[in-house]
Amino acid sequence: EVHLVESGGGLVQPGGSLRLSCAASGFMFSTYNMNWVRQAPGKGLEWVSYISSSSNTLNYADSVKGRFTISRDNAKSSLYLQMNSLRAEDTAVYYCARDRSNANWGQGTLVTVSS
Amino acid sequence: DIHMTQSPSSLSASVGDRVTISCRASQAISNSLAWFQQKPGKAPKSLIYAASSLQSGVPSKFSGSGSGTDFTLTISSLQPEDFATYYCQQYSSYPLTFGGGTKVEIK
Repeated sequence: EVHLVESGGGLVQPGGSLRLSCAASGFMFSTYNMNWVRQAPGKGLEWVSYISSSSNTLNYADSVKGRFTISRDNAKSSLYLQMNSLRAEDTAVYYCARDRSNANWGQGTLVTVSS
Repeated sequence: DIHMTQSPSSLSASVGDRVTISCRASQAISNSLAWFQQKPGKAPKSLIYAASSLQSGVPSKFSGSGSGTDFTLTISSLQPEDFATYYCQQYSSYPLTFGGGTKVEIK
């Protein structure tokens, strides 16, 4: 069974940094493209970033470009999102999801940016 | 960017009703469309991919149709566990984009 578990969320001040992790199991992680998707409180879903299976291709939403960095460690079956220069509008639950169609999702981790 | 428009944004229905949700893409996306169900406080769950293919384990009361720019999610007989918010998403090109959601409520 596919299992994705996010961690690393929390309360951070504006301008601060946070690193999210997503631990994958139940499938061959190294062969799948992955996404980060977020959901602000009471709002809809917003795609954040994409990484191809071999890390050759990275994509970012305009709203996070230059501030967030996606990466992965296939040996550890783990996905990461380094978030710098955080803003109040980055407050959201962050989900990792498998492949372009987002077929499987983790339970999410809450990031709150506030002073 | 491809803009996804869902309609209606909310609907009220009774148990046993047939429910249809529409999703329109601002440009042709072939069949690169997925549908998700989300309940309060939970992660989205994939129902449909490739516009009409049912994810493993998803009951057959859910069905999807369409190609190009116009797509539909149908729930054949609404049950209490189906009251939730539904989202469409295109994966034809990046940035991936989602519809605004359709909240299905109990009448």
